[in-house]
Amino acid sequence: TQLLEQSPQFLSIQEGENLTVYCNSSSVFSSLQWYRQEPGEGPVLLVTVVTGGEVKKLKRLTFQFGDARKDSSLHITAAQPGDTGLYLCAGVSGTSGSRLTFGEGTQLTVNP
Amino acid sequence: DAGVIQSPRHEVTEMGQEVTLRCKPISGHNSLFWYRQTMMRGLELLIYFNNNVPIDDSGMPEDRFSAKMPNASFSTLKIQPSEPRDSAVYFCASRAGTAPYEQYFGPGTRLTVT
Repeated sequence: TQLLEQSPQFLSIQEGENLTVYCNSSSVFSSLQWYRQEPGEGPVLLVTVVTGGEVKKLKRLTFQFGDARKDSSLHITAAQPGDTGLYLCAGVSGTSGSRLTFGEGTQLTVNP
Repeated sequence: DAGVIQSPRHEVTEMGQEVTLRCKPISGHNSLFWYRQTMMRGLELLIYFNNNVPIDDSGMPEDRFSAKMPNASFSTLKIQPSEPRDSAVYFCASRAGTAPYEQYFGPGTRLTVT
């Protein structure tokens, strides 16, 4: 069974601070996706990282895929209240990317 | 595109009743997924269809749960009879058949079984 461990599970910070969320596994994934979910809504895809060592930037968000494609991190610079939400990582595996294994999620609260 | 559409958004029912959740995937997507999300267990895959054919239903909890996809633009998830432990948010997601296999989620149906 493939497992993805996310840490921390909960994070409460002040506006302007930086933070990093980690996603770790003992399994290799063909790619890894990050989602953000707000209350009452479905997860929304932020980014997909495909290549080991890949770094992608989305404004103040930086995503990195580990060299061995087993882990990933999400770094947010100068967090804002609008960044508040549940962040989920998901590893893609299986035939034709059929399986998406989700981490438990990191609940981020950014206080003004 | 309107995105993945789910109905109803909220459902409250009594134990023992039949519940049917509906999903319309994004046009052109050939794969559809049903997930369940709870605080205790997070997001769990229930069943996955490819080209309207169920491929992996290993996540379906028990025989009370069934899912169908009669055509490329419609799927249902049925629970009969429903139980209080089925209370959760049920999500439908769809994706195209090419890498990087990005899934797009609907807004979910919040089911409460009393």
